[in-house]
Amino acid sequence: DTGVSQDPRHKITKRGQNVTFRCDPISEHNRLYWYRQTLGQGPEFLTYFQNEAQLEKSRLLSDRFSAERPKGSFSTLEIQRTEQGDSAMYLCASSFLTGGPGELFFGEGSRLTVL
Amino acid sequence: GDSVTQMEGPVTLSEEAFLTINCTYTATGYPSLFWYVQYPGEGLQLLLKATKADDKGSNKGFEATYRKETTSFHLEKGSVQVSDSAVYFCALDSSGGSNYKLTFGKGTLLTVNP
Repeated sequence: DTGVSQDPRHKITKRGQNVTFRCDPISEHNRLYWYRQTLGQGPEFLTYFQNEAQLEKSRLLSDRFSAERPKGSFSTLEIQRTEQGDSAMYLCASSFLTGGPGELFFGEGSRLTVL
Repeated sequence: GDSVTQMEGPVTLSEEAFLTINCTYTATGYPSLFWYVQYPGEGLQLLLKATKADDKGSNKGFEATYRKETTSFHLEKGSVQVSDSAVYFCALDSSGGSNYKLTFGKGTLLTVNP
């Protein structure tokens, strides 16, 4: 399967711990996006990369959050000192730089539960 | 800022019923508009889109028309099937046409019974 894959699919952690999520985009997709979806809400934009450059970050991305895409391929999203409010589904998506409007391909998400 | 408001769910219909899910938006300029669908156990996927006023997006029997005067993009299908059961999200491009940032509505859960 050559879709967007995310790992782990579900992470349960205690408050204060650090967690890291990984996203493997569709190969050759230049852009990679992270979104967060809380219960009963639609996805909210967090950040995006064009190749290895992080070009925009949402105000939702506090300094406890860091995202990287070191070689322009996979990406990681790390949350330090997790809080209960971080509990959400973290979605990764990818697209071509020259893709048509809205042509983002989403993974199934990584669900974070902070106890 | 940009926002999307869509019909609260859940919506429960019988097979072959007519479907409408309302969506209105607030945005500066002329955003592109989208409907995404999330089937159980799968990632979000683009269902249809419209990039300018009066455009009609269509796919898999679903349609939506970009209405600038009413800032709306309602999703319709004439005859739903059990396989259409999913969560539907209305969205717009908040990145001024650069296609990197979407603003989503809260989603509407549709259940179609046989």
